[in-house]
This record gives sequence, structure tokens and C-alpha cells, in this order.
Amino acid sequence: GQQVMQIPQYQHVQEGEDFTTYCNSSTTLSNIQWYKQRPGGHPVFLIQLVKSGEVKKQKRLTFQFGEAKKNSSLHITATQTTDVGTYFCAGLTGTASKLTFGTGTRLQVTL
Amino acid sequence: KAGVTQTPRYLIKTRGQQVTLSCSPISGHRSVSWYQQTPGQGLQFLFEYFSETQRNKGNFPGRFSGRQFSNSRSEMNVSTLELGDSALYLCASSLRVSTYEQYFGPGTRLTVT
Repeated sequence: GQQVMQIPQYQHVQEGEDFTTYCNSSTTLSNIQWYKQRPGGHPVFLIQLVKSGEVKKQKRLTFQFGEAKKNSSLHITATQTTDVGTYFCAGLTGTASKLTFGTGTRLQVTL
Repeated sequence: KAGVTQTPRYLIKTRGQQVTLSCSPISGHRSVSWYQQTPGQGLQFLFEYFSETQRNKGNFPGRFSGRQFSNSRSEMNVSTLELGDSALYLCASSLRVSTYEQYFGPGTRLTVT
């Protein structure tokens, strides 16, 4: 079945450093969504990417969808303590028509 | 608009028992999906309901079942509980099908002893 892996599993940065998480699918995706889950909370939708090579920005967050639509990345510039949480990508394949969540990357930010 | 609500928030059950969890989606949302979240397995898709019909199902045993009512509220049931069923069960609603932005509820923390 479809698998969506994320690397790294965990990253610890100092406030102000940049952070990137990568999402890789075993199959071509129709679209990809990104979610953030704060400790003790529930996943919150961040963005959806649909087009090959698409790049979207939300303030300090930059999301990319690969040209082959099999990978994606989330880059955070100048991390803040409010960025702490686990970031999940979720891919959709056309045939399955259901979201498969990635394994998640837990981000810890310290002062 | 009120968010997705799930009841109960916490539950402790014994092996062999059954449990029913409830989810009320955001008003106007017709799709409800259920996920199981554990530290070891991450977020795993259980099933999705749309307009009272099961639209998709994940790779879980038949002990896991669900349904959706005409008002879009959904329930999931787990029979013959096992220790490995201990997890956070999350419900998410979407305006249309789950391929669109999903709004998650706070979850039900189930502990099986």
C-alpha cells in the first residue's frame, strides 16, 4: 500500500535557526496537505499543494511540492518557540482517494 | 462556528469490553474521518463517512466499525478490546470529502487495561 515517510523523525533547534522536514511517498500523489500538532493537541491544517513544483509561503513557512509529485518539504525560517510541535504531511492518491499521513517530524525549539 | 467535538474525552476500559466513541462535525460538514494515533504507529486512517455511507476504509480488523447519521454525526465502535487498542482516537470533518482540508477534534484518549 501507499507509504509516506518523513525525515527527520525529530529535530531540536535553537530559536532563530532554520528547520526543514521532508516528505516522501512511494507513489505519485494527487495533492499533499500539511498539518501541525502541538504537544497535547490535535492536528491543525496548514496548507494544501496540488500542482507539480508548486511553492507556497505562509509568513516564515515555505511549502514545496516536488516536480514528480512524490515528495514535499516544509521549511521554517528563523524558528520560534511557538513552532514547537509535530509536523505531518498527508498525501492523496487518485486511485485510493484517501489521505495517508506521513510519520511526522517532531520539532523542539529552545531559547 | 463551533469546532469538531468528540465525546468522551477520556475512557478507561478492560480487555474484552467494547466501546463507542462519538464525533460531532462542524456544522455543514458532510465528511467525517476517523484516525488512530499511537506513539509507535503515528496517525492511521480508520474510515471515512460521507452522507451516511462509508467511503473509504483503512487496514484495521473488523472489530473496528463506524457509522454516520443523517445529521452527519458519527460514531465508531471497537468490540472485544485489546491492550493494543489503547490510543488517541481522532475524528476529522471536512466540507466535502476528506481530500479537502480536514478539521480535527480534540480526540478521545482510550486506555485498555
